[in-house]
Amino acid sequence: DIVMTQTPLSSPVTLGQPASISCRSSQSLVHSNGNTYLSWLQQRPGQPPRLLIYKISNRFSGVPDRFSGSGAGTDFTLKISRVEPEDVGIYYCMQGTQFPWTFGQGTKVEIK
Amino acid sequence: EVQLVQSGAEVKKPGESLKISCKGSGYSFAYYWIGWVRQMPGKGLEWMGIIYPRDSDTKYSPPFQGQVTISADKSINTVYLQWSSLKASDTAMYYCARQDGDGDFYFDYWGQGALVTVSS
Repeated sequence: DIVMTQTPLSSPVTLGQPASISCRSSQSLVHSNGNTYLSWLQQRPGQPPRLLIYKISNRFSGVPDRFSGSGAGTDFTLKISRVEPEDVGIYYCMQGTQFPWTFGQGTKVEIK
Repeated sequence: EVQLVQSGAEVKKPGESLKISCKGSGYSFAYYWIGWVRQMPGKGLEWMGIIYPRDSDTKYSPPFQGQVTISADKSINTVYLQWSSLKASDTAMYYCARQDGDGDFYFDYWGQGALVTVSS
């Protein structure tokens, strides 16, 4: 199975300041079709996960543009340009390149 | 509007059987893979398996193969997750989620979750 490793596991941030989460995979996420299936999910407290970013850098419908994704191969990053109160929650990266799909451990974003 | 609506919370005893459901609406249900994801209390997300309702083609993650059964009834736009003999360690929140319909491998819409509690 592909192992997804996120850092940091906890990220206290000041409102209005940026936040960054790293995700590293144990092998390349480039699929045989040329796409890279790395997505980012947000889970607010008491809520189901919600898709933020798919295929590394594509924002899903309705996702604010303060969220951005980047990376390639085995190293990926989610950035929040200016953290707002509703961004508090746990963020997961997920790979869909190889079965079984696997998730990172999650990064908790909280307000300082 | 795409919606996945899951059945309600369940409290069961070890050894009992259980079947929970996930009903899709707002899209062509049979033509989108639906997956199940487990979240144990205070823990992260685990991909359990996925089914294509049109022909019930199913793939399982190895830890869940033989432990659960994923099935679908496309006539009523519903996917199921079932256990024949629950254990205390099955206590968790279970989410269904829809795979993107353009052949890409990520979940775009999620159900609200179903809490399963197994306790004697």
